Amino acid sequence: SQQGEEDPQALSIQEGENATMNCSYKTSINNLQWYRQNSGRGLVHLILIRSNEREKHSGRLRVTLDTSKKSSSLLITASRAADTASYFCATDPPLSGGYNKLIFGAGTRLAVHP
Amino acid sequence: KAGVTQTPRYLIKTRGQQVTLSCSPISGHRSVSWYQQTPGQGLQFLFEYFSETQRNKGNFPGRFSGRQFSNSRSEMNVSTLELGDSALYLCASSFRRTSSYEQYFGPGTRLTVT
Repeated sequence: SQQGEEDPQALSIQEGENATMNCSYKTSINNLQWYRQNSGRGLVHLILIRSNEREKHSGRLRVTLDTSKKSSSLLITASRAADTASYFCATDPPLSGGYNKLIFGAGTRLAVHP
Repeated sequence: KAGVTQTPRYLIKTRGQQVTLSCSPISGHRSVSWYQQTPGQGLQFLFEYFSETQRNKGNFPGRFSGRQFSNSRSEMNVSTLELGDSALYLCASSFRRTSSYEQYFGPGTRLTVT
């Protein structure tokens, strides 16, 4: 079963607006990552935040992590049409044994209109 | 540096047949993970290999198997195909032993079972 749930399932905005996606997970984690997927293609890593971090920035991306609430959010500022994609959070639970096993959420489909 | 490559990109098989998918990781990466993506179940972890050893396996039936070669290339095999095996199969490679780092995904193999 999936570890995370994302909210909203779909988001439609205009270029220039900000997009916020949320992710909730069930168990403790070592880290949480966000990935982007364009139209059924491979996933592209966006950002990784460790369990002892609360906020991280990368360009127009801002990720927050609240381990007490078991939730994370991804903010994309000044969105562009090229940001149209599905966004997934992925967790690395301790029970994975420290091996490269990611548990993905259901994803948020973002549509950015020109 | 070349990215993760997967072959073939598209495949159509009939129920009961078997299929082998191939993944070549980024040069120098020794960890290869496999994921299945379907509209209903989302992204699910299949298994992970590091230095030719399977270290972790997801909750899939024994019809799903894999292996890794000494050059880190990996194959996964699905025997006795079922309609529900239709999916996008993604492999990911990582330089590190653990998932506390980003993973690099290939473009995927789209398998259709008829």
